[in-house]
Amino acid sequence: DAGVIQSPRHEVTEMGQEVTLRCKPISGHDYLFWYRQTMMRGLELLIYFNNNVPIDDSGMPEDRFSAKMPNASFSTLKIQPSEPRDSAVYFCASLRGQGTEAFFGQGTRLTVV
Amino acid sequence: GENVEQHPSTLSVQEGDSAVIKCTYSDSASNYFPWYKQELGKGPQLIIDIRSNVGEKKDQRIAVTLNKTAKHFSLHITETQPEDSAVYFCAASMGHNKFYFGSGTKLNVKP
Repeated sequence: DAGVIQSPRHEVTEMGQEVTLRCKPISGHDYLFWYRQTMMRGLELLIYFNNNVPIDDSGMPEDRFSAKMPNASFSTLKIQPSEPRDSAVYFCASLRGQGTEAFFGQGTRLTVV
Repeated sequence: GENVEQHPSTLSVQEGDSAVIKCTYSDSASNYFPWYKQELGKGPQLIIDIRSNVGEKKDQRIAVTLNKTAKHFSLHITETQPEDSAVYFCAASMGHNKFYFGSGTKLNVKP
């Protein structure tokens, strides 16, 4: 398996623009997570899905952020409108079952100018 | 919710020495404790994990210990090598897959 695949790897956008980050989890994994990593706040869980259903979105910072998982092999994280403080590395991770290893993608480095 | 604290934030050791990173957690219901290594420009990768029914686990040069009473767990790396240089994260979970991560330790192994 190719692992968790995220796209794009890098994204530079202007403030106010819509940004969509994409994730393909490992086949057979039933949990999918979106994390944000910054120097100040470390790794923050934004939202996670189980069998394509959002389970906990309490980490989503505000209404500008939304996430979807239309099927078992694809998820998106959308920011609209984007702001400079959204600049961070966004990771997607997936795992199978409970209390097992989470596999992380390579991340998307988002810069909002 | 759970609160995981990790120390130190940076650690510099000489090649061949041992490195120890410590984490504490707040919720006694946590029962799964993974450690992740993150290299520059990459996502975190699991290096070892431990469950609450075990006190210690080893994998070659890496070991993790867990003290449930004190609610702390530690990562031990022996015979460190330059390729061990990275950021290490501890995490705690109550088994529902919501992981709470520590703030990370940047380990520098000097040749």
